[in-house]
Amino acid sequence: DVKVTQSSRYLVKRTGEKVFLECVQDMDHENMFWYRQDPGLGLRLIYFSYDVKMKEKGDIPEGYSVSREKKERFSLILESASTNQTSMYLCASSVSGPTSGNTIYFGEGSWLTVV
Amino acid sequence: AQTVTQSQPEMSVQEAETVTLSCTYDTSESDYYLFWYKQPPSRQMILVIRQEAYKQQNATENRFSVNFQKAAKSFSLKISDSQLGDAAMYFCAYLSPEGAQKLVFGQGTRLTINP
Repeated sequence: DVKVTQSSRYLVKRTGEKVFLECVQDMDHENMFWYRQDPGLGLRLIYFSYDVKMKEKGDIPEGYSVSREKKERFSLILESASTNQTSMYLCASSVSGPTSGNTIYFGEGSWLTVV
Repeated sequence: AQTVTQSQPEMSVQEAETVTLSCTYDTSESDYYLFWYKQPPSRQMILVIRQEAYKQQNATENRFSVNFQKAAKSFSLKISDSQLGDAAMYFCAYLSPEGAQKLVFGQGTRLTINP
């Protein structure tokens, strides 16, 4: 089974702190994603990466950055956390290839509270 | 840009009954993929069912089936013989075959199963 692991399930951080959310997948997937989930808004894409050291902005990248130094690991960084970044963050991965529509696998999510 | 709309924030159904969750989407593409994902209280997002737009036949997976109406841009999920374990948030999602595999999600529908 594909496993996408988010290292922290619950975090509480102070406004202005730098926050790292880590995600690791064990299936050699090329694509990795960070989504933010908020009630009534569904999931919104923050950033994605289709290869090591490659990244592209999603729909709501402001206030976030990402790092992908190794294929299996994709980190989301909040340079200076703010209260409006309190949310659930979901990491996902998928395989690339000529046939699009491959299944995307999700981690269990990281609940971040910024106080 | 594609959008996905789930107009039912909450639904409830009696155990063993059938329930239908609605989803509409907007796109100018002729080929794409549609998904229903389930997110139980444990938060692990699970793929329920997938539909390829070029296939006219509605996808089915055991008790789960879809009603895909391409012209109407509608993609509803029918759950037959509802079980307590079906209680979850359900998300409809769209995937374009072009570019990176970025899912676009609806707002979600919370399904409650009444015993």
